[in-house]
Amino acid sequence: GAGVSQSPRYKVAKRGQDVALRCDPISGHVSLFWYQQALGQGPEFLTYFQNEAQLDKSGLPSDRFFAERPEGSVSTLKIQRTQQEDSAVYLCASSLATEQYFGPGTRLTVT
Amino acid sequence: AQSVTQPDIHITVSEGASLELRCNYSYGATPYLFWYVQSPGQGLQLLLKYFSGDTLVQGIKGFEAEFKRSQSSFNLRKPSVHWSDAAEYFCAVGTEYGNKLVFGAGTILRVKS
Repeated sequence: GAGVSQSPRYKVAKRGQDVALRCDPISGHVSLFWYQQALGQGPEFLTYFQNEAQLDKSGLPSDRFFAERPEGSVSTLKIQRTQQEDSAVYLCASSLATEQYFGPGTRLTVT
Repeated sequence: AQSVTQPDIHITVSEGASLELRCNYSYGATPYLFWYVQSPGQGLQLLLKYFSGDTLVQGIKGFEAEFKRSQSSFNLRKPSVHWSDAAEYFCAVGTEYGNKLVFGAGTILRVKS
């Protein structure tokens, strides 16, 4: 069956540009997570949705980061006024219970 | 706050040799523990998980891990490594049912023929 998909797979942005990263979770999965993985590091939690409700956004590094999941399915992570330190792989995961299934990630490079 | 330590950044083993990747966690209660594998350009794939019960858990691709509460460890093992096992391995802890994961920094496994 279809897994978690993310688009685009690669994104190059100039510093100061806004970007939007999309995540399509596995159909029927209630929970959706966003993680940020810097080069050479493990993934770090950004935010968590249960259906359309954003229950935890404690990991968002600044108010330039915004995530939404308006209909409880597809989610978008938006980064405003990108900075070089935002360069990373952004991973999305969905879950029905305790096991999280990860997408391939979006590699964001800010120049 | 919970944390995960993977002491080895890189490990190199010969094909056919045994493997043990170390993972130590910090969390006051019984954790949910996971091992994931990540190949270049790929997402994370779950190898195995521990929630409760038998402290030795079996996973996919011939991997197993043992939860040792007294040592706060959850080491990953494989008796005979294959060249296709070369990848980066992440240990993670979850503190509540269905909640976020905290990952270690990862261990890169190289397999030499």
